[in-house]
Amino acid sequence: DAKTTQPPSMDCAEGRAANLPCNHSTISGNEYVYWYRQIHSQGPQYIIHGLKNNETNEMASLIITEDRKSSTLILPHATLRDTAVYYCIVGIGTASKLTFGTGTRLQVTL
Amino acid sequence: ETGVTQTPRHLVMGMTNKKSLKCEQHLGHNAMYWYKQSAKKPLELMFVYNFKEQTENNSVPSRFSPECPNSSHLFLHLHTLQPEDSALYLCASSQGEIGNTEAFFGQGTRLTVV
Repeated sequence: DAKTTQPPSMDCAEGRAANLPCNHSTISGNEYVYWYRQIHSQGPQYIIHGLKNNETNEMASLIITEDRKSSTLILPHATLRDTAVYYCIVGIGTASKLTFGTGTRLQVTL
Repeated sequence: ETGVTQTPRHLVMGMTNKKSLKCEQHLGHNAMYWYKQSAKKPLELMFVYNFKEQTENNSVPSRFSPECPNSSHLFLHLHTLQPEDSALYLCASSQGEIGNTEAFFGQGTRLTVV
């Protein structure tokens, strides 16, 4: 069963903010929201994770709604190198407990 | 550079061959993982090792045989594979198997079975 729903693809102009949505309406109270991305033919790369508070790091910001049923990953100034498949995952623990879905393919264009 | 190194990056093997994939992590992590990514499919977790002990085997066929001699190294031994085993094989590591920390992935080995 899919625990998250993401749009299959999105476009973003270079230099603009990329806002990637994710629905996780069945998230349980102790499950975290993780974001990873996978650039073509490379291994997934961790971006950020959070429980209920908004989080920010050098790569991105994570906004989680108050009811925790959805979240948004924000890349503040997208570049061509941000073109990748972005995975939103909910779960507890590390890689052994996380189920990767099909993600959102983000295309950053000039 | 993620601190997780996989070799070889590409491998072509016949169905009767025996080969091994290698993964090495320089992060001081205690948990290591093998994943399979087939074309247009999500990542599938294959094996989990925590402190060198196998803690998870997701019904992987016996033609895939993992080995974890220490916390820094992980191997996947391959024998009598099928063409449908062609995929990107990814290794990952994390500080431990439990706790909410991130996983670091290697670049993967692109395997083609002919």
